[in-house]
Amino acid sequence: EVQLLESGGGLVQPGGSLRLSCAASGFTFSSYAMSWVRQAPGKGLEWVSGISDGSGSTYYAGSVKGRFTISRDNSKNTLYLQMNSLRADDTAVYYCAKDSPGMGPFDYWGQGTLVTVSS
Amino acid sequence: DIQMTQSPSTLSASVGDRVTITCRASQSISGWLAWYQQKPGKAPKLLIYKASSLESGVPSRFSGSGSGTEFTLTISSLQPDDFATYYCQQYNSYSPGNTFGQGTKVEIK
Repeated sequence: EVQLLESGGGLVQPGGSLRLSCAASGFTFSSYAMSWVRQAPGKGLEWVSGISDGSGSTYYAGSVKGRFTISRDNSKNTLYLQMNSLRADDTAVYYCAKDSPGMGPFDYWGQGTLVTVSS
Repeated sequence: DIQMTQSPSTLSASVGDRVTITCRASQSISGWLAWYQQKPGKAPKLLIYKASSLESGVPSRFSGSGSGTEFTLTISSLQPDDFATYYCQQYNSYSPGNTFGQGTKVEIK
């Protein structure tokens, strides 16, 4: 059974940093691209960042480019999102999501972790 | 950037109704479009991929169509479990813009 378990969310002050983790199990993690998607309270889904299966390629939404860094450790079956220079509008539930084969749509999602940026 | 636009934003319907949601891309994405269903407090669930392919386990009352820039999600006979928010997503390419549409909330009439 595919499982994605996010952790690392919490309350952080504006300008601060946070690192999210997503522990994957139930599939060959190293064979699939992965992404982070967020959802601000009461708002829609926003794709944040994606990474290819071998970590050779990373992609970012314009709203986080230069502030967030996606990475993965295939030996630990774990996806990361390093978030720096956090702003109030980064407040959201952050989901990790597994791409279907060939960097297709997201066929599995974690339960999400809440990041709140506030003083 | 590829922009995704859904309509309507909200839809009121009754059990048994046929429901159609539209998604438009700002440029051609061929058939690289997915539809998701999300219920409050839950992660999204993949319903349709490649514009018209039904994800395993999804009821056959859901169907998708379209190509290029215009796509539709149809629920042939709305069931109580279908009241939720639906999102389209293009996966033709990663884009600095949002790859998701803004969502369509299907409410009970």
